[in-house]
Amino acid sequence: EAQVTQNPRYLITVTGKKLTVTCSQNMNHEYMSWYRQDPGLGLRQIYYSMNVEVTDKGDVPEGYKVSRKEKRNFPLILESPSPNQTSLYFCASSWGLTSYEQYFGPGTRLTVT
Amino acid sequence: LAKTTQPISMDSYEGQEVNITCSHNNIATNDYITWYQQFPSQGPRFIIQGYKTKVTNEVASLFIPADRKSSTLSLPRVSLSDTAVYYCLVGEGDMRFGAGTRLTVKP
Repeated sequence: EAQVTQNPRYLITVTGKKLTVTCSQNMNHEYMSWYRQDPGLGLRQIYYSMNVEVTDKGDVPEGYKVSRKEKRNFPLILESPSPNQTSLYFCASSWGLTSYEQYFGPGTRLTVT
Repeated sequence: LAKTTQPISMDSYEGQEVNITCSHNNIATNDYITWYQQFPSQGPRFIIQGYKTKVTNEVASLFIPADRKSSTLSLPRVSLSDTAVYYCLVGEGDMRFGAGTRLTVKP
């Protein structure tokens, strides 16, 4: 089954404790991205990647890192999480820039205390 | 990246047709128009995409006038399960979803 998976689905952590949210897709998509969603602010893009070793900032990249060492994986790294990063995070993938059908993961609800 | 403008919210009743319009005045020649649907705590789901005139699939229709400066997503005979947020996206590169249109379908 074609899908985007994220882990963990729920995470409660404390300020400053490094964490990684994994994202994996099995569709051989080139384009992957991360979004955060907050009430009243809609979906905001954090980072995106157009291919292996190619990443770029979205609208709200501060406090986040990403890497794209393999085509299928696009982890989101929070080196020193802060409470303002408490949010619902979505990973997405698609065939590329000219195809806008993005496939989204189930989401990761992160709480930073 | 073309900026889009949609209504913040809309209400409808079961069985009615719902039309959500999106304005994108500075759409580029190569830009496609794409609509997504999102239910609470779920990732957005692709509904339909078009370039010009009309596109129809099993879920919705998309109407795009000749000047392409706007588009209308049409949902026929909505049900309670169509209550969701609908996003209009235009352009390439990084994907900006905006706030979308919150559709509430009432019994």
